[in-house]
Amino acid sequence: RKEVEQDPGPFNVPEGATVAFNCTYSNSASQSFFWYRQDCRKEPKLLMSVYSSGNEDGRFTAQLNRASQYISLLIRDSKLSDSATYLCAVKRRTGGFKTIFGAGTRLFVKA
Amino acid sequence: DVKVTQSSRYLVKRTGEKVFLECVQDMDHENMFWYRQDPGLGLRLIYFSYDVKMKEKGDIPEGYSVSREKKERFSLILESASTNQTSMYLCASSLSYGNTEAFFGQGTRLTVV
Repeated sequence: RKEVEQDPGPFNVPEGATVAFNCTYSNSASQSFFWYRQDCRKEPKLLMSVYSSGNEDGRFTAQLNRASQYISLLIRDSKLSDSATYLCAVKRRTGGFKTIFGAGTRLFVKA
Repeated sequence: DVKVTQSSRYLVKRTGEKVFLECVQDMDHENMFWYRQDPGLGLRLIYFSYDVKMKEKGDIPEGYSVSREKKERFSLILESASTNQTSMYLCASSLSYGNTEAFFGQGTRLTVV
């Protein structure tokens, strides 16, 4: 079983739709949580960190449920430019601080 | 502006060659990582380093080794390249503490023929 699991999708949604992604993690020692965005043929870049109380950045809302060990990302009012792969990531301490990624969820927003 | 630089964007090597992928960061980050990314498999951690000369295996270390002699530089070595190591290789770095993100290089597309 992978340490971080995501539904690979793809999710095909119309512009203006609301879409939600979930991600589960298996190691309860995970300390920090993130959503990254990766455009085609580009490197991943941070979309937002995920805080225990949940956090929002414009049309994007991230939630963390430590008891059930999952994080979620909600995108409201989807835009064509939101089409990308969304990767969740967790950070935990081993000798140093290791960042583990899920395989990513592909989102296509169509006009 | 933060920067992680990988030495090559594209690389073609022959089976059995020893291959070096270099990564440099200018952010004084403690942690550096090597991932490979394959369709359907996502980003898989090969090795990471949390300090000079310190390293830990990731999920898929077989066939790879790493070197970190200076804080800013982290090298991935393919001891004897094989065709199943054809992939996109991504280097990243991060601070250790808190909710700090990883920054990625632009990636190296390695083809082993």
